[in-house]
Amino acid sequence: AQSVTQPDIHITVSEGASLELRCNYSYGATPYLFWYVQSPGQGLQLLLKYFSGDTLVQGIKGFEAEFKRSQSSFNLRKPSVHWSDAAEYFCAVGDDAGGTSYGKLTFGQGTILTVHP
Amino acid sequence: GAVVSQHPSRVICKSGTSVKIECRSLDFQATTMFWYRQFPKQSLMLMATSNEGSKATYEQGVEKDKFLINHASLTLSTLTVTSAHPEDSSFYICSANPGLGGAREQYFGPGTRLTVT
Repeated sequence: AQSVTQPDIHITVSEGASLELRCNYSYGATPYLFWYVQSPGQGLQLLLKYFSGDTLVQGIKGFEAEFKRSQSSFNLRKPSVHWSDAAEYFCAVGDDAGGTSYGKLTFGQGTILTVHP
Repeated sequence: GAVVSQHPSRVICKSGTSVKIECRSLDFQATTMFWYRQFPKQSLMLMATSNEGSKATYEQGVEKDKFLINHASLTLSTLTVTSAHPEDSSFYICSANPGLGGAREQYFGPGTRLTVT
């Protein structure tokens, strides 16, 4: 069964500092990987996704992530954090929607990002 | 594009009553919709996969008779929590997948906060 681990429950950074949120996955085949962001009491917004091709993917709001197959990782990065980035971030792996799986997502536990001024 | 709405955003009901939550894809047709449950400070847990015109597929441990899912059209899926109890209080989030084939990203609704008193 597929699984996702986000080792850091809570990260605090200063505004303007760089950010890296870790994500490790377990999946039997080529994974479909996603990062979502959730503000309190809100749904999820897709930041970026990896399906295939270039292992460094660019997303919205200045985020990027790098797929490293050898490390089973898909870490999220941002060179300079803004106060508005404070939120909870979820990494997810999706089923290849062949057959009847329809692309189910398995989420990590989430990482809460706090940004200090 | 790719907007998913949920209604209501918040609902408070008494123990023993039933509550219906609607999930609509506003600008695309969704052959598949997913229902998630999120407890405070926890990740999203998939409850069931809803396919238009067929029975929902429930995840292990989710009571089919308690959480009734109907996907009557390509733009609407409903989740009915029957005979609700305080332990059913949670944040329910739906997502929609535009089509079959490939792990396409899911578009998430804003969530529904259910409180059972």
